[in-house]
Amino acid sequence: QVQLVQSGAEVKKPGASVRISCKTSGYTFTSYALHWLRQAPGQRLEWMGWINSGTDQIKYSQKFHGRVTISRDTSASTAYMELSSPTSEDTAVYYCARGKRAVYFDYWGQGTLITVSS
Amino acid sequence: DIQMTQSPSSVSASVGDRVTITCRASQGVSGWLAWYQEKPGKAPKLLIYDTSNLQSGVPSRFSGRSSGTDFTLTISSLQPEDSATYYCQQGNSFPLSFGGGTKVEIK
Repeated sequence: QVQLVQSGAEVKKPGASVRISCKTSGYTFTSYALHWLRQAPGQRLEWMGWINSGTDQIKYSQKFHGRVTISRDTSASTAYMELSSPTSEDTAVYYCARGKRAVYFDYWGQGTLITVSS
Repeated sequence: DIQMTQSPSSVSASVGDRVTITCRASQGVSGWLAWYQEKPGKAPKLLIYDTSNLQSGVPSRFSGRSSGTDFTLTISSLQPEDSATYYCQQGNSFPLSFGGGTKVEIK
């Protein structure tokens, strides 16, 4: 069955970069897009960017452009999201999700809580 | 960017009631609209995509339709397990965006 398993919770000081992983299984990694989203406490879901796992094309939300780096390791069927220069406003649960018809999200990781606090 | 506005923000209904949630897009999304169900501590679950297509495994009491830039999610007969927050999402253009959510509670 399709599974997306994310790395564990992180606590970071402001300005300290953080990278989380999303290991996929149960499907052909290069056949689907992989998205990153987040949800801050009490806020709506927010799309951050995606990677076309087959072509390595990457697209970011302008809001995060320059602060977020999405990458993938095809041999490990794993995607990564690195957030640089985080502030307390980046405290949120971060999700990876598989793309259905590219732009919908049919399978999700369990979420990774990133807490940014001094 | 396309803004998605949901209403109401919360609704309380009894088991067996018909519940309708509305989502309005700030501009046309050409039918690229999905609905998700989110329960506390869990990742969202895709219910409907392309406005009205039911995701595999989702009960048929969930349905979606559109009228111009307005979209609706209907639960035809509310069940206890439907207590959750529901979000709409447009897939027409980047950045992909979500509505603010509608919390459905059981009376």
